Amino acid sequence: NAGVMQNPRHLVRRRGQEARLRCSPMKGHSHVYWYRQLPEEGLKFMVYLQKENIIDESGMPKERFSAEFPKEGPSILRIQQVVRGDSAAYFCASSPLAGGRNEQFFGPGTRLTVL
Amino acid sequence: AQKITQTQPGMFVQEKEAVTLDCTYDTSDQSYGLFWYKQPSSGEMIFLIYQGSYDEQNATEGRYSLNFQKARKSANLVISASQLGDSAMYFCAMREGTGNQFYFGTGTSLTVIP
Repeated sequence: NAGVMQNPRHLVRRRGQEARLRCSPMKGHSHVYWYRQLPEEGLKFMVYLQKENIIDESGMPKERFSAEFPKEGPSILRIQQVVRGDSAAYFCASSPLAGGRNEQFFGPGTRLTVL
Repeated sequence: AQKITQTQPGMFVQEKEAVTLDCTYDTSDQSYGLFWYKQPSSGEMIFLIYQGSYDEQNATEGRYSLNFQKARKSANLVISASQLGDSAMYFCAMREGTGNQFYFGTGTSLTVIP
């Protein structure tokens, strides 16, 4: 059973470009979470999605960031007009159910560098 | 206030010795879960151990155990018989009630000395 897949693992963008980060949850998992890890910090929650629905985006910046989890295909975190402060590791996690003791299984992360 | 506090930025332990990594949490919920993850230099997040707020016994998973002191709101991770491969960042995390997100601490960098 493959784990959570994220691609690309490393992404370099120039200021003003768009970044698209992909996440394929574990088989059978319908709950996806995105986190951001700035250098030397812990992970910070961004958004929680179920298939085709954004459930909680309280941690998502109001501008330039969006996320989707379509019926078919991976979840996408999209960052428009990237700035240097967007440089971070972005982790996706999935779980079969929400809440309770259900652990979140993390992908390997995408390391975004904005030049 | 911080939901999760890890006060040890870095720790050293001799190989084969035990080490305790501290974690305190802040919540007003009665129901919550506490998790520890390991992040090696390769960057992935590896789940280690879980403790529920209603669990009466401290969680154990192999060489990992969780020293859960509910009244003190602490959930320290104990690693016994440290191995060189234990060198990594360790993150404590909490989920409140039926909440969706995990709150993570800032992590502790553990170095195992041969």
